[in-house]
Amino acid sequence: EAGVTQFPSHSVIEKGQTVTLRCDPISGHDNLYWYRRVMGKEIKFLLHFVKESKQDESGMPNNRFLAERTGGTYSTLKVQPAELEDSGVYFCASSQERWTGNTIYFGEGSWLTVV
Amino acid sequence: AQTVTQSQPEMSVQEAETVTLSCTYDTSESDYYLFWYKQPPSRQMILVIRQEAYKQQNATENRFSVNFQKAAKSFSLKISDSQLGDAAMYFCAYRSALYGGSQGNLIFGKGTKLSVKP
Repeated sequence: EAGVTQFPSHSVIEKGQTVTLRCDPISGHDNLYWYRRVMGKEIKFLLHFVKESKQDESGMPNNRFLAERTGGTYSTLKVQPAELEDSGVYFCASSQERWTGNTIYFGEGSWLTVV
Repeated sequence: AQTVTQSQPEMSVQEAETVTLSCTYDTSESDYYLFWYKQPPSRQMILVIRQEAYKQQNATENRFSVNFQKAAKSFSLKISDSQLGDAAMYFCAYRSALYGGSQGNLIFGKGTKLSVKP
């Protein structure tokens, strides 16, 4: 069974440009999460989808970030326009149930560098 | 708000020996879950071990075990018989057991980078 896959694995863009990160969760997982780790800081929650609906987007830093999950399958996270402080690792994760003790499976992360 | 603190940015252990990674947390909740995740270089972050706060017994998974001290809000990870493949970033994480609101929100520490010397 394939795990959570993310694309691209690495991206270098200039300040002001747009980047779109994609996440394919484990098949059958209704819950999809985005997290971010800025260098030297904690991994921070961004948002949580249940199927195609945003359950919690309290961690989204500002309106330059847009997450979608059309059809309840894969998700995209767009940063537009990118700023220097957006550099970091963006993790996608998924889980089968909403039960809070359930295992959350993470992808390898998408490394974003804004120059 | 809940916080998770990992006070050791880096740790090193000799192969076959035992190492303990520290984690403390702060919460006013009585029911929650605690996790240790491991991320090897350029690899997926994987769950190492999970502890339910209502369970007094410490969780164990093969060479990995935890020392869960609920009153002290401490959740350390012990790795016995360390292997080269244990080298990774280790993240301690907290998750509320409450439904609704931010129930999907894992709260992480900054991580501890573990090196294993042959």
